[in-house]
Amino acid sequence: VQLVESGGGLVQPGGSLRLSCAVSGFTFSTFAMGWVRQAPGKGLEWVSAISGTGSSTYYTESVKGRFTISRDNSKNTLYLQMNSLRAEDTAVYYCAKDRSAVSGKGFDYWGQGTLVIVSS
Amino acid sequence: QSALTQPPSASGSPGQSVTISCTGTSSDVGGYPYVSWYQQHPGKAPKLMIYEVSKRPSGVPDRFSGFKFGNTASLTVSGLQAEDEADYYCSSYAGSNTWAVFGGGTKLTVL
Repeated sequence: VQLVESGGGLVQPGGSLRLSCAVSGFTFSTFAMGWVRQAPGKGLEWVSAISGTGSSTYYTESVKGRFTISRDNSKNTLYLQMNSLRAEDTAVYYCAKDRSAVSGKGFDYWGQGTLVIVSS
Repeated sequence: QSALTQPPSASGSPGQSVTISCTGTSSDVGGYPYVSWYQQHPGKAPKLMIYEVSKRPSGVPDRFSGFKFGNTASLTVSGLQAEDEADYYCSSYAGSNTWAVFGGGTKLTVL
């Protein structure tokens, strides 16, 4: 199983970024996926999740209306579109595979993370 | 959704056992059988150590065990080894609108 994130970088406040996570080694459409972030020196924070089919999406309160999670099961790729970025969104963003298709039963595989820095 | 409560630090000598607690509410830890524990070494991605309160993924040593009573879950590391020194995070499913809520993390030091 491999999860490889990309798309991080430096962006100004109010700007946008799209993160991608290319996966291999398992039947992508069978499992829910999520994004978890970690601000520098801080703990883990769940950001968003999407069901295996992509029909259901979930967000932590602080990113609702600004971030959009999506997936392309034909390309085995997970996305996180981040708009109206704020300084407090600065973090390493991890892509993670859930153990189930529809409920948060634990993330059993994680990518290496991609760093997002929001600063002017 | 508030974070789960973990002690900031824990420690033990090699060979000893240490237990890390994780306190939530009836809306998360106490309400669902989906408590997970993650180990994170500096600069590395988290690794799943326990899922569904007490189950171990393949490859995780049986020195790691999980338990839950009411709104509090716990992770016990027995026979401490130097490589167990890491940050540990608990997490719980918290209903259809909150996929996962994490604890603040516990830094485990092997003396």
